[in-house]
Amino acid sequence: AQSVAQPEDQVNVAEGNPLTVKCTYSVSGNPYLFWYVQYPNRGLQFLLKYITGDNLVKGSYGFEAEFNKSQTSFHLKKPSALVSDSALYFCAVRDGNTGFQKLVFGTGTRLLVSP
Amino acid sequence: GAGVSQSPSNKVTEKGKDVELRCDPISGHTALYWYRQSLGQGLEFLIYFQGNSAPDKSGLPSDRFSAERTGGSVSTLTIQRTQQEDSAVYLCASRRLAGPDTQYFGPGTRLTVL
Repeated sequence: AQSVAQPEDQVNVAEGNPLTVKCTYSVSGNPYLFWYVQYPNRGLQFLLKYITGDNLVKGSYGFEAEFNKSQTSFHLKKPSALVSDSALYFCAVRDGNTGFQKLVFGTGTRLLVSP
Repeated sequence: GAGVSQSPSNKVTEKGKDVELRCDPISGHTALYWYRQSLGQGLEFLIYFQGNSAPDKSGLPSDRFSAERTGGSVSTLTIQRTQQEDSAVYLCASRRLAGPDTQYFGPGTRLTVL
């Protein structure tokens, strides 16, 4: 079975500082990994994904994530946080080796960027 | 282009009533998903439609929940005899079956059962 863990309910960072939102996963086959962001009263917006290839994936709004197979992690990063990055972030995984199409999501991490 | 749309945006109902939630996927997207997001929780998968194949209903929490997808496009999620624990945001997503794996989400329907 697939699973995703986001160990931090909330991450606090000052504007201009680098940020990291952690995600670890468990999947039996090849992992397809995703990050989504949810702003208040909005649906989820796609940020980036890892399917294959370069372990460092760049996405929207200056975010990037690094796939680490040995640590089964896919942490989301940004070199310099903005107050407008404050939102709820979800990591998700699916098994690319199967036809099982559904994404399994983590419980989300709230990012709070202070001015 | 137009994204995934959902209606209504908010629905308040009384316990025991039936509700219908609608999802209009992105044109050309043959895969459609329903998720539920409860307060303080992550996203819970409910059901998945893929083209003309039988839907994956493995996430439906009870037989009060059902969904259909007419003509391979619009989907309706129906909750019968609503309970207070059904209160949540119901999110719909769609994706192309081939090519990029990305699911695109609608804004959700916030359901409140009194």
